[in-house]
Amino acid sequence: EVQLVESGGGLVQPGGSLRLSCAASGFTFSSYSMHWVRQAPGKGLEYVSAISSNGGSTYYANSVKGRFTISRDNSKNTLYLQMGSLRADDMAVYYCARYDSWGHGTLVTVSS
Amino acid sequence: DIVMTQTPLSSPVTLGQPASISCRSSQSLVHSDGNTYLSWLQQRPGQPPRLLIYKISNRFSGVPDRFSGSGAGTDFTLKISRVEAEDVGVYYCMQATQSITFGQGTRLEIK
Repeated sequence: EVQLVESGGGLVQPGGSLRLSCAASGFTFSSYSMHWVRQAPGKGLEYVSAISSNGGSTYYANSVKGRFTISRDNSKNTLYLQMGSLRADDMAVYYCARYDSWGHGTLVTVSS
Repeated sequence: DIVMTQTPLSSPVTLGQPASISCRSSQSLVHSDGNTYLSWLQQRPGQPPRLLIYKISNRFSGVPDRFSGSGAGTDFTLKISRVEAEDVGVYYCMQATQSITFGQGTRLEIK
């Protein structure tokens, strides 16, 4: 069974940094592109970032480009999202996703 | 970016009755490989999204056959043949032909 478990969310001040992790199990992690999608409270889904199976190719939404960095460690079956220069509008539940499976998300709160 | 527009944004339905949600893309979703990467997701209250339908009309594993998808090019539809209480939630269309974008979501509620 595919399992994706996010961690690393929490309260951070505006301008601060946070690193999210996503532990994957139940499938060959190194064979799949992986994604981060976020959902602000009471809002819809927003695509954030993606990374190819070997990490050689990445994508970022314009809203996070230059502030967020996606990476992966295939030896640890783990996906990461390093977030910097955080703003109030980055506050959301961040989901790790394969094309057909989603984690339960981790909440990032940006507030002073 | 491809813009996905869903209608309606809210759909009150009687239990046992059908429901239909439309999704229109700002440009054709036919990929150069010939596939159309249009999916439907369901998000029940307090839950993460769940894949229902992929490539227009293919039901994902474990999805009841009362869910069906159709369409082509820029116009797509999700139909629920007989709505059950567990179907309450928000439904999103999602395109993955060119990057990934989502529709605004359609809230399905019981009358």
